[in-house]
Amino acid sequence: DAEITQSPRHKITETGRQVTLACHQTWNHNNMFWYRQDLGHGLRLIHYSYGVQDTNKGEVSDGYSVSRSNTEDLPLTLESAASSQTSVYFCASSESRQGQATQYFGPGTRLLVL
Amino acid sequence: KQEVTQIPAALSVPEGENLVLNCSFTDSAIYNLQWFRQDPGKGLTSLLLIQSSQREQTSGRLNASLDKSSGRSTLYIAASQPGDSATYLCAVIGGATNKLIFGTGTLLAVQP
Repeated sequence: DAEITQSPRHKITETGRQVTLACHQTWNHNNMFWYRQDLGHGLRLIHYSYGVQDTNKGEVSDGYSVSRSNTEDLPLTLESAASSQTSVYFCASSESRQGQATQYFGPGTRLLVL
Repeated sequence: KQEVTQIPAALSVPEGENLVLNCSFTDSAIYNLQWFRQDPGKGLTSLLLIQSSQREQTSGRLNASLDKSSGRSTLYIAASQPGDSATYLCAVIGGATNKLIFGTGTLLAVQP
């Protein structure tokens, strides 16, 4: 069965370190998204991609970057981790660019920045 | 700027009750609205997606309605079960961007 996976599931890091969160989907979807979920803010979009070599900034993109070298993967990099980036991170993918398709979510990565 | 609100923030009902969860959005120019379920410590599971041209969608005991003109959606759960206990999130896509804008969710507890 097609799926979307994230690794690691839990991560503890120190302020200032570079961290990369992996997202891999086997749906063969063109669209991929990264969200963060925080109490009181719900889920907010960080970055998204409509296909290979395409990346776009979302609502809360400062301090994060993504790259899309193939259809299956969209890694999220925290350039210099900050305590404010402690959160739960979700990756998602969807089939259609026209806003008509269901988004499928991964299980999430819990990140703690000390 | 699109804002999505869910009321109530939390709800507790006895098993077997029918219940309604509410979602409102400020900009009626949406492409679709999606309802998700999130279990503690888990990811989001899509329950229903309603296109902007549709009025409702049904899946088993779940029925979601959409009234674009009033900026409202409801998720109706029939004959609730303890296994329905979870956080329910609604999200809208405004325009052909595929960018979901989420509400903060309703935490549902179904008591046996």
